[in-house]
Amino acid sequence: DIVMTQTPLSLPVTPGEPASISCRSSQSLLETDNGYIYLDWYLQKPGQSPQLLISTLSHRASGVPDRISGSGSDTNFTLKISRVEAEDVGVYYCMQRIEFPFTFGPGTKVDIK
Amino acid sequence: QVQLVQSGAEVKKPGASMKVSCKASGYSLINYDINWLRQASGQGLEWMGWMNPENGKTAYAPKFQGRVTITRNTSVNTAYMELSSLGSEDTAVYYCARGRSGFGEADVWGKGTTVTVSS
Repeated sequence: DIVMTQTPLSLPVTPGEPASISCRSSQSLLETDNGYIYLDWYLQKPGQSPQLLISTLSHRASGVPDRISGSGSDTNFTLKISRVEAEDVGVYYCMQRIEFPFTFGPGTKVDIK
Repeated sequence: QVQLVQSGAEVKKPGASMKVSCKASGYSLINYDINWLRQASGQGLEWMGWMNPENGKTAYAPKFQGRVTITRNTSVNTAYMELSSLGSEDTAVYYCARGRSGFGEADVWGKGTTVTVSS
């Protein structure tokens, strides 16, 4: 199975300040046939189901503000929030879907300082 | 409004089986994949399996192989996940999530079904 790791596991943030979460995979998530990197980001707000933020490395889901962005390469990925807002608190997960079984990172808990 | 409506909470005895339903609303089940995932209390997300409802093809995580079965009934636009030989470690919230075709991202999630395994 592809192992996903995330750092940090806990991230206290200040509203208005930037924040960044890193994710790594044990194997490349690059599909050479089409050039896509099959890495998604999800946010689980307190008491809610997870919601899709970013798909295929950098494509924002519908309704996701442009202050949230995804980037990276074959095995190293970053989620950035340019200006944190109170609504951004929750646990962020990266997930690979280049092969079964899909696997998640352990999650990064973001809360307000 | 596109949504996935899951069945209600269950309490099961060790060794029993569970079956959770996931009804697609606002779209046709056969047009998107379905993923099943779970989350134990205070823990992370765990992917269990996938189905293409159009052709019935499935894939399961090795951890659950032999214990999990994903099915669907297209006449009622509903997918199901059955897990057998339950143990206390199966106590969790179980989610279904719609996946875009071609093993796509999970863009719509159900609200989750809490299953408690206890003697």
